[in-house]
Amino acid sequence: DQQVKQNSPSLSVQEGRISILNCDYTNSMFDYFLWYKKYPAEGPTFLISISSIKDKNEDGRFTVFLNKSAKHLSLHIVPSQPGDSAVYFCAASWVGGSQGNLIFGKGTKLSVKP
Amino acid sequence: GAGVSQTPSNKVTEKGKYVELRCDPISGHTALYWYRQSLGQGPEFLIYFQGTGAADDSGLPNDRFFAVRPEGSVSTLKIQRTERGDSAVYLCASSPRGGPAEAFFGQGTRLTVV
Repeated sequence: DQQVKQNSPSLSVQEGRISILNCDYTNSMFDYFLWYKKYPAEGPTFLISISSIKDKNEDGRFTVFLNKSAKHLSLHIVPSQPGDSAVYFCAASWVGGSQGNLIFGKGTKLSVKP
Repeated sequence: GAGVSQTPSNKVTEKGKYVELRCDPISGHTALYWYRQSLGQGPEFLIYFQGTGAADDSGLPNDRFFAVRPEGSVSTLKIQRTERGDSAVYLCASSPRGGPAEAFFGQGTRLTVV
């Protein structure tokens, strides 16, 4: 039973355009969401996060949107660059859970074409 | 070192053998996490240490898995009587206090049980 779902295994985008990566969750107890980026043979790197009290968080080219009623979040990358090509993981945690126990999705592989 | 270091980077072992995976966190980081990533999946939480103690070990799959952090720095993940299903990349992360957004991941140890 997957609590965090990334239904698109892969996404291909042209350089300079917008990349939109989607994530759905089922557990209404989740109150903090994160996006990680992973290059081959490296560990995941924290990218951006959002608390459930917000519906948007922006950091440079990266913006995360949260729709609590739909239990959906998305990561927007504008403009996309070839160096953004990586696997992106959505993760969630919850009040009362331990701070280290993140629930990850399966990831979406983003390819940005020059 | 500057980042989280995991050794070995690759480990091949025979079914039934015992293995130890080592994690050297960033100096001064009190929180340490172990995750496991199987092929095509996102990282899966195993255990979280705050200092020397395991604050949450609810992710350990069974009693063949054990982890220690005796001096609050280096941690060792120990797997007894390995099975082919244990084959995965084992990721370690550390953070200054706790809280996943501040966690820095190592490059992982790829364990293959043959």
